[in-house]
Amino acid sequence: QKEVEQNSGPLSVPEGAIASLNCTYSDRGSQSFFWYRQYSGKSPELIMFIYSNGDKEDGRFTAQLNKASQYVSLLIRDSQPSDSATYLCAVNKGDYKLSFGAGTTVTVRA
Amino acid sequence: EAGVTQSPTHLIKTRGQQATLRCSPISGHTSVYWYQQALGLGLQFLLWYDEGEERNRGNFPPRFSGRQFPNYSSELNVNALELEDSALYLCASSSLEGLAGELETQYFGPGTRLLVL
Repeated sequence: QKEVEQNSGPLSVPEGAIASLNCTYSDRGSQSFFWYRQYSGKSPELIMFIYSNGDKEDGRFTAQLNKASQYVSLLIRDSQPSDSATYLCAVNKGDYKLSFGAGTTVTVRA
Repeated sequence: EAGVTQSPTHLIKTRGQQATLRCSPISGHTSVYWYQQALGLGLQFLLWYDEGEERNRGNFPPRFSGRQFPNYSSELNVNALELEDSALYLCASSSLEGLAGELETQYFGPGTRLLVL
């Protein structure tokens, strides 16, 4: 079982719609969770982190964490063409190294 | 505030050679992390340095090594290069201080793209 798994893409959404990205992790002791966005040929860029159960909102982005289900998600509201990228879920088990999922590629159709 | 910087942006080597990659963290950050992103393999943790010491290491052979300098900048050395070492090498930094969640947040540099021929 992989440490971090993300729903397979690619995910295609129309402009203005909500994109929903899912991530599950295997280590129940994981402490903090991160979403990064990576444009093709570029390095990962932090979108947000979450460490408590529940929702965390930042602009058009909402992260949701459910530690009991070992599940973290990212919602992108009012999707824009500039949101087209690969989204990486990362998990910190407390040892300060991040374990990354394979990423979900999102394409926003104009 | 300047972000994480890495040099060179691109590096071409041949099998058996050594490569040296450099990273400067965000000002005030003491921790530096190295990751490898090979095509189709995703981001893999390589090394973590903090306060000049190696704190953690991923599942990579010993020919991957590095160090951290007193100014917190870091070098990654890859000896005896193999074709499969071709990848984007990413450096990230964090401060290890701050509120929960913030202290583990890692910010990435632009990467060094290594091609081994």
